[in-house]
Amino acid sequence: GNSVTQMEGPVTLSEEAFLTINCTYTATGYPSLFWYVQYPGEGLQLLLKATKADDKGSNKGFEATYRKETTSFHLEKGSVQVSDSAVYFCALSDRWSNQGGKLIFGQGTELSVKP
Amino acid sequence: GAGVSQSPSNKVTEKGKDVELRCDPISGHTALYWYRQSLGQGLEFLIYFQGNSAPDKSGLPSDRFSAERTGGSVSTLTIQRTQQEDSAVYLCASSLGGGRSDTQYFGPGTRLTVL
Repeated sequence: GNSVTQMEGPVTLSEEAFLTINCTYTATGYPSLFWYVQYPGEGLQLLLKATKADDKGSNKGFEATYRKETTSFHLEKGSVQVSDSAVYFCALSDRWSNQGGKLIFGQGTELSVKP
Repeated sequence: GAGVSQSPSNKVTEKGKDVELRCDPISGHTALYWYRQSLGQGLEFLIYFQGNSAPDKSGLPSDRFSAERTGGSVSTLTIQRTQQEDSAVYLCASSLGGGRSDTQYFGPGTRLTVL
C-alpha cells in the first residue's frame, strides 16, 4: 500500500543553519506530494507541493523537489529562523485512489531552532 | 475569507458516552475530509465527502464511528460508545474539488479526551 516515511525528530538547529528533512514514499500510482507544517498552537497548513516528477515546490524559503527515481521529496531551507520551529509533515495523494485527494502522512518531524 | 472551523475545540467525555464533532468547511469547497491525529497512530484518514456522492468511509476504524454532511456543507462526525483509544485530535479539511493535487485546508481540530 501507499506510505510515507520521514526522518525522525526532534531536529534541533541553530539559527541560520541549513535544514534538510528527508521524506521517501511508496505509491502505486502517480502521487502528488506535499509538505504541511503545524506551528505551535496552530492548525495544519500547506507549506508547498509538487504534482509531477521533477517539479519543485517552494514557499517561505523552503524547497522540495519531486524525485521519482528515488521516490523522495526532501524538504530543504538554506537558513532557518527561530520562527520556523514547528512540526513538518510529508504527505502524498495518490492519483489512482478512489478516495479523492485522501492524504497519507508521514509521522512528522519536529524542528526546533535556537537563537 | 473564513477558513475551516470546528467545534468544540475541546471535548472531555466519559467512556461509553456518545460525542458529536462539527466541521464547517470553506464556502464553495465540494470536498470534505476527516482525519485523526494521535500520538500512537500519527495522522490517519477517516472519511471523505465529495459533493452529493456517497462518502468514502474506508478509513473509519470501527462501526462506532459515523459521519454525515448536510446540504453539501456542514459535517458531523459521531462517535458512539466512546473508548479511551478514541482520544485524539480530530481534524477536518476541505478542498475546492476532490483532486489529488488540490490543496486541503485544515481546521484547528477538536481535541477529544475519553476518561
